[in-house]
Amino acid sequence: EAGVTQFPSHSVIEKGQTVTLRCDPISGHDNLYWYRRVMGKEIKFLLHFVKESKQDESGMPNNRFLAERTGGTYSTLKVQPAELEDSGVYFCASSPRDRQYGYTFGSGTRLTVV
Amino acid sequence: QKEVEQDPGPLSVPEGAIVSLNCTYSNSAFQYFMWYRQYSRKGPELLMYTYSSGNKEDGRFTAQVDKSSKYISLFIRDSQPSDSATYLCATRLGNQFYFGTGTSLTVIP
Repeated sequence: EAGVTQFPSHSVIEKGQTVTLRCDPISGHDNLYWYRRVMGKEIKFLLHFVKESKQDESGMPNNRFLAERTGGTYSTLKVQPAELEDSGVYFCASSPRDRQYGYTFGSGTRLTVV
Repeated sequence: QKEVEQDPGPLSVPEGAIVSLNCTYSNSAFQYFMWYRQYSRKGPELLMYTYSSGNKEDGRFTAQVDKSSKYISLFIRDSQPSDSATYLCATRLGNQFYFGTGTSLTVIP
């Protein structure tokens, strides 16, 4: 089966600009998660979709971040306007509805805000 | 206090050595315990998971959990150069995973 696909793999933008990250989960996976790793820190939870519904968005840093999952398939994470501290690697992961112990991660989008 | 503490290393060992990677966690409510392996420029890949205290073995890898001391370990026997990667421990509470910072491992041929 195809894995979790994320694009772009890299993005360099200027402070104040807008960036949209996209994640295509494994087909049929109801659960979709966004995580972020800031340099030198641990991977941290951002939010969780079950199909098209936001189940938990407690990890979203602030209202400059907007995630959507229209139709319960792919998801986008928009950062607007981007700040320097938003730099990091953004991971998407997906799992079947009943998976308890692990997700399948994408390769991540490396975002650099300059 | 971080939910999961992990020594970042780096750790460098000769091929064939036994590797021990360790984490501690803070919340006794954490349930599932996982080890992920991450190669450079790739996403984390699930290596092993366990729910209870004790050992779980899979080939050259053994995961160990001690809930009484909130301690998680991963042992790699007969380490290979292909094992060179960053290893992340993780725990789960609800639908959120909590990761350690990862330990960078290099196995020298």
